[in-house]
Amino acid sequence: NAGVTQTPKFQVLKTGQSMTLQCAQDMNHEYMSWYRQDPGMGLRLIHYSVGAGITDQGEVPNGYNVSRSTTEDFPLRLLSAAPSQTSVYFCASRPTGTPKNIQYFGAGTRLSVL
Amino acid sequence: AQKITQTQPGMFVQEKEAVTLDCTYDTSDQSYGLFWYKQPSSGEMIFLIYQGSYDEQNATEGRYSLNFQKARKSANLVISASQLGDSAMYFCAMREFKGGGSNYKLTFGKGTLLTVNP
Repeated sequence: NAGVTQTPKFQVLKTGQSMTLQCAQDMNHEYMSWYRQDPGMGLRLIHYSVGAGITDQGEVPNGYNVSRSTTEDFPLRLLSAAPSQTSVYFCASRPTGTPKNIQYFGAGTRLSVL
Repeated sequence: AQKITQTQPGMFVQEKEAVTLDCTYDTSDQSYGLFWYKQPSSGEMIFLIYQGSYDEQNATEGRYSLNFQKARKSANLVISASQLGDSAMYFCAMREFKGGGSNYKLTFGKGTLLTVNP
């Protein structure tokens, strides 16, 4: 009954460091996405994927890379972290098909860039 | 222009009373869906309720109901008989159903922080 699993839960980076936020889902969902949540800004879409091998940019993609080699995993890479990337990151997944399909979220990763 | 507007940064309600959280949206499409999510202080995002643009009835899920006024482009969340556990941030979101990439994106408002007082 895992759903969407994100690791790590917390991370502190120094400016310029790189890291990968992991996201895995066990519901065989085609669609996966990454959001960032900043105070007073709601959730903003970074990147999304509609299936293995297919990714596209969202609203705020700069500074982030993604890839989707399997249905289950959708990692988010920060190549050179900046303080502006301090945020809470959420991964989400849902089945495609019916547009009303509910999007399920992971528990989030709280990232601080010093 | 913002696609989703939640004009109430914070709301207070007494336990056992009803509360309405406002949401207005902007779209030129006829086909779309509206979602409400709850985010308690623990941080997870919890789906509450869905309303489709062609649904004739207002959606209801237990104590949650959606006051959908299509002509006014509003989709207000009504919580009846508030409980202390309802204290949380509430987000309204919209998915437009036009073809291609837009079909897949869920756009969120900035949220309303609800506090339920005993």
